[in-house]
Amino acid sequence: GAVVSQHPSRVICKSGTSVKIECRSLDFQATTMFWYRQFPKKSLMLMATSNEGSKATYEQGVEKDKFLINHASLTLSTLTVTSAHPEDSSFYICSAREPGRNTEAFFGQGTRFTVV
Amino acid sequence: GENVEQHPSTLSVQEGDSAVIKCTYSDSASNYFPWYKQELGKRPQLIIDIRSNVGEKKDQRIAVTLNKTAKHFSLHITETQPEDSAVYFCAAITSGSARQLTFGSGTQLTVLP
Repeated sequence: GAVVSQHPSRVICKSGTSVKIECRSLDFQATTMFWYRQFPKKSLMLMATSNEGSKATYEQGVEKDKFLINHASLTLSTLTVTSAHPEDSSFYICSAREPGRNTEAFFGQGTRFTVV
Repeated sequence: GENVEQHPSTLSVQEGDSAVIKCTYSDSASNYFPWYKQELGKRPQLIIDIRSNVGEKKDQRIAVTLNKTAKHFSLHITETQPEDSAVYFCAAITSGSARQLTFGSGTQLTVLP
């Protein structure tokens, strides 16, 4: 299957700082990527849909000014958590879908994000 | 939008027994239903999927059934092994241009040796 790489896998930052998480499709071009947030023992909640060359589509309740998404190329989408707060601590995970396939999605490794 | 409900939230079985996880969906336009296995701290891994034009699909010890009329689908794992222990998520593809996944709440499966 297709490979999606997410970096970093783990990050600890201080309150008030901003952190960028990268999601790369390694062997295919992804015009659409998805960003999820997962709390412990909970399901994956879609935060936003990242569209190459255009603005991301955010789900209801997700602050677009806090979670900045950029999809500047066909293989890279980034999620920047701005002015981090301890309640932003979570597991963030991206996925991408191969072009021409609007079904199966491949996930990145996820980022364990902790704000202290 | 799509709503996917999953039951049970936890399931313990003896090694060698079968495990069944059930999901229901709300959007009759959904036409793709994948199942993911997620181990602690890891990414979800696709284990099996089914499209709406098929009623059943099997891959070795894993099978999925789909009832479009009732809008529910189930995962069946036979001859369970300790390495099957993980969280399992069902999902459905929503209609719309982006066709994003809507996940169920997850089932923690524990296979007791």
